[in-house]
Amino acid sequence: AQTVTQSQPEMSVQEAETVTLSCTYDTSESDYYLFWYKQPPSRQMILVIRQEAYKQQNATENRFSVNFQKAAKSFSLKISDSQLGDAAMYFCAYPRIYDKIIFGKGTRLHILP
Amino acid sequence: DTGVSQDPRHKITKRGQNVTFRCDPISEHNRLYWYRQTLGQGPEFLTYFQNEAQLEKSRLLSDRFSAERPKGSFSTLEIQRTEQGDSAMYLCASSPSYRGQGGFPYEQYFGPGTRLTVT
Repeated sequence: AQTVTQSQPEMSVQEAETVTLSCTYDTSESDYYLFWYKQPPSRQMILVIRQEAYKQQNATENRFSVNFQKAAKSFSLKISDSQLGDAAMYFCAYPRIYDKIIFGKGTRLHILP
Repeated sequence: DTGVSQDPRHKITKRGQNVTFRCDPISEHNRLYWYRQTLGQGPEFLTYFQNEAQLEKSRLLSDRFSAERPKGSFSTLEIQRTEQGDSAMYLCASSPSYRGQGGFPYEQYFGPGTRLTVT
């Protein structure tokens, strides 16, 4: 069974600085996807970025990028130029193909003005 | 289409009462999922449907829980004889089965959730 582990329950970063959220996962599959979801306070969860395991290139979406280390089963999220609107819970997630998503416990990110 | 909607957004009920939540998925999506999220935790899978067929139920879904998707469109989640441990956010998500059905097939599009408080 797949598992997703986020070891940082909370993090804080100064506005305009860079922060990295960590995630490790376990799977026996060779081809899969990994996601980072963002859940702002009292708002719905949205997908921030996705990574396909067979692609060696790390995914990037504007200020968000990942460091995907397949052999180490590590999938960290880097947020550059942090903004107040980035404050949220961030979930690392493993989507089982045409099936449920397995989520980590999340990291609450605080942005300090 | 404006996305996945859920109703109500908040529900306060007394222990022992029955509650029902509704989810309206993105119209092109034929897969619909229910998750439960407790404070400080990630969402945990409860059940999912492809069209009107309920394909999988989690062990978290006790016999007090029932979900339906009668015409393959909206879905309802009912909790009978609520307990304080049922207090949580109940999230609904939908996804397409293939590209072109409104999004990326492995991604699930979430609604705002229904927050249940059992007193």
